[in-house]
Amino acid sequence: EAGVAQSPRYKIIEKRQSVAFWCNPISGHATLYWYQQILGQGPKLLIQFQNNGVVDDSQLPKDRFSAERLKGVDSTLKIQPAKLEDSAVYLCASSRRLVPTGELFFGEGSRLTVL
Amino acid sequence: GIQVEQSPPDLILQEGANSTLRCNFSDSVNNLQWFHQNPWGQLINLFYIPSGTKQNGRLSATTVATERYSLLYISSSQTTDSGVYFCAVERWETSGSRLTFGEGTQLTVNP
Repeated sequence: EAGVAQSPRYKIIEKRQSVAFWCNPISGHATLYWYQQILGQGPKLLIQFQNNGVVDDSQLPKDRFSAERLKGVDSTLKIQPAKLEDSAVYLCASSRRLVPTGELFFGEGSRLTVL
Repeated sequence: GIQVEQSPPDLILQEGANSTLRCNFSDSVNNLQWFHQNPWGQLINLFYIPSGTKQNGRLSATTVATERYSLLYISSSQTTDSGVYFCAVERWETSGSRLTFGEGTQLTVNP
């Protein structure tokens, strides 16, 4: 089966600009996650969807970050305006169900550099 | 929230050596997963192991949930084992399930 697809792989922007990342999960996976991974750290959950509903967005900086999962499949994560500290890899993951999570499958990530 | 500590933070081995990576967690968990992040950044699921022992080739993992730790064993290490190893613990909450990652163990296997 095809894996989790993400794009773009790399993005360089200046602070205060906006950026959007796209994710297509594994077919049939109900749960989709966006993680932020800063260099040298473990992934940190930003937002979690079950189908097209938000399950957990408690760690999403809502003043600048937004995410949606229309029709319960693809998802988009947007940052506007970007700050220097947003430089990180943004990882999308999916799993078959919400509870228990089951195996988590990650995409290759989108590396963001904010200058 | 739950704390996940991994040790050692860095490990350098010669090819062929064995190693043990540890993951401690501060509260009870419902599940635990081990991941390998290769040098290109791809995270691959190694084990889904809430308790007991599992083996997959040269890798095996043991979780002792009652004592709040898990171990990942790598035998006869190869250069392709290099990368960062993460454990992630899962807790079921009223709103769903949350995975919390540790900070990882950076493994370098030299030829």
